[in-house]
Amino acid sequence: AQSVTQLGSHVSVSEGALVLLRCNYSSSVPPYLFWYVQYPNQGLQLLLKYTSAATLVKGINGFEAEFKKSETSFHLTKPSAHMSDAAEYFCAVILSGGYNKLIFGAGTRLAVHP
Amino acid sequence: DGGITQSPKYLFRKEGQNVTLSCEQNLNHDAMYWYRQDPGQGLRLIYYSQIVNDFQKGDIAEGYSVSREKKESFPLTVTSAQKNPTAFYLCASSPGQRNSPLHFGNGTRLTVT
Repeated sequence: AQSVTQLGSHVSVSEGALVLLRCNYSSSVPPYLFWYVQYPNQGLQLLLKYTSAATLVKGINGFEAEFKKSETSFHLTKPSAHMSDAAEYFCAVILSGGYNKLIFGAGTRLAVHP
Repeated sequence: DGGITQSPKYLFRKEGQNVTLSCEQNLNHDAMYWYRQDPGQGLRLIYYSQIVNDFQKGDIAEGYSVSREKKESFPLTVTSAQKNPTAFYLCASSPGQRNSPLHFGNGTRLTVT
């Protein structure tokens, strides 16, 4: 079975500080992993995806994530937080099978303080 | 611009009434999905469809029904059998390849009183 766990439902950082949002997955086969961002009352927007081409994946808005097989992790980082980064972030893994069934983590709400 | 349109954005209904949420896409995607979002629970899959005239139950299909008569459209009906229908509903689509990300609409917030 595949699942994804996001550590920390709420993360608060100061503007300009490092953003680190944690995601661990469990999978018996190499996974496809995604990070999405959701702003209030909106849908989800893809930040980045890992599909085994490179372990360090760069996404939009200055975010990046590193796939670490030994740690079964896919943490999301950004060197310097901006006020506009305040949102909810979801890590997701594709369930193995013949279709794109995404399994989502519970989400991490990021607050950015001046 | 291509995208997914969900309507209406806000919907209010009385308990015991069925309600249908609209989802239309012009991305020419084969696969479409309905997710339910509740605070602190992430997104849970209700139904998905890989091709026209075919759909499968997701993890929480009870109390919901769907149809897929056209490639562009995947409406979701929340029936009176759904015990706790108040939630944020998200529709998504994808080309269908296994590593393709999902594209999401902006959601419909349903409130049942």
